Amino acid sequence: GENVEQHPSTLSVQEGDSAVIKCTYSDSASNYFPWYKQELGKRPQLIIDIRSNVGEKKDQRIAVTLNKTAKHFSLHITETQPEDSAVYFCVNTGFQKLVFGTGTRLLVSP
Amino acid sequence: DAGVIQSPRHEVTEMGQEVTLRCKPISGHDYLFWYRQTMMRGLELLIYFNNNVPIDDSGMPEDRFSAKMPNASFSTLKIQPSEPRDSAVYFCASSHPQLETQYFGPGTRLLVL
Repeated sequence: GENVEQHPSTLSVQEGDSAVIKCTYSDSASNYFPWYKQELGKRPQLIIDIRSNVGEKKDQRIAVTLNKTAKHFSLHITETQPEDSAVYFCVNTGFQKLVFGTGTRLLVSP
Repeated sequence: DAGVIQSPRHEVTEMGQEVTLRCKPISGHDYLFWYRQTMMRGLELLIYFNNNVPIDDSGMPEDRFSAKMPNASFSTLKIQPSEPRDSAVYFCASSHPQLETQYFGPGTRLLVL
């Protein structure tokens, strides 16, 4: 169906560590995979996205990888900083609509 | 560009009252989305429009909710009558084209007493 499973629901790391969040989707037709970041009390904002014709995309400390065979995509944050603390959402764009994952609350401790 | 504009930013009302939320999308964006966010249910898509026409309203919870887009620069989400379980943050977002970057407004925090 339209569901997208996101794990973990919470993630605590020390500043400087890496963080990985994974999402699994079901629609084989999905070809666009965005990630949104929502800071406390703020609106969701796109931080990175990837299309199905590539396997990985990087933007400074953030990267997204895609495995279409296994139907999962992951967000990788390296050298985490306290300002990375937020809720991160993956989005399933299959079935011609956007379905947000349940979110991962990332806490980066100094 | 000022981005997506929503009003009011905060709304407190009593059960049974009508609530109207407003949204102005980014100029040139032909898709407009309404979302509801709660702790229990996360971020839910309620309805979206393309060129002012409602395309998918399957997320609208019940008949008490209605949405309109009379022109390309304005949309409303109405709840009548409101209930305490409608308390949430309601976001409006716009994009062009549909599955490209969605730009969210600041949200309306609704509290129904």
